[in-house]
Amino acid sequence: DTAVSQTPKYLVTQMGNDKSIKCEQNLGHDTMYWYKQDSKKFLKIMFSYNNKELIINETVPNRFSPKSPDKAHLNLHINSLELGDSAVYFCASSQVGTHTEAFFGQGTRLTVV
Amino acid sequence: AQSVAQPEDQVNVAEGNPLTVKCTYSVSGNPYLFWYVQYPNRGLQFLLKYITGDNLVKGSYGFEAEFNKSQTSFHLKKPSALVSDSALYFCAVRPNTGGFKTIFGAGTRLFVKA
Repeated sequence: DTAVSQTPKYLVTQMGNDKSIKCEQNLGHDTMYWYKQDSKKFLKIMFSYNNKELIINETVPNRFSPKSPDKAHLNLHINSLELGDSAVYFCASSQVGTHTEAFFGQGTRLTVV
Repeated sequence: AQSVAQPEDQVNVAEGNPLTVKCTYSVSGNPYLFWYVQYPNRGLQFLLKYITGDNLVKGSYGFEAEFNKSQTSFHLKKPSALVSDSALYFCAVRPNTGGFKTIFGAGTRLFVKA
């Protein structure tokens, strides 16, 4: 069983479109994250939800909106996609308050053309 | 500001030789320290972590890391490198004060030559 799964794995879309990436974890963790990895492989946190509550909201354009229907799911919706949004987006989960490591999904490679 | 530095963009080593991937951090208190590895087109995989206790931590695939509090470093090491160790390695730090954010370094690409 995959611990953290993201769909889709690849996403190619035109500028101006709206798209969503889904993430699910079956580890029972209470916190989930979205990270963006740019072309230089730098990993930057975007959002974090703890028990469905938004707790980290880094400097990210308003076009990006996370949604957490329950503790096991964290989706990322992106409006009006731009060329600069092209990157790999990783979902991760962890159990806050412990020293457990974060578990990452396989990533979604978003290409905006 | 809290930060993690991986001073080398790339480390090159011959197969069979020891390897070191460097990491230093600037985080208050006694943070939790992690190393992750990323293979091409894959997500990050956990390698090892330092929480407390012995400064030498052993992890997956024969990797180990040495915590040095005075130098605020957490270097990743392996006694004998394999070609299959070639990947991108990330050092990460999480404050132990109950915060939610894990801070990642910029990553170091390890290239092991046969």
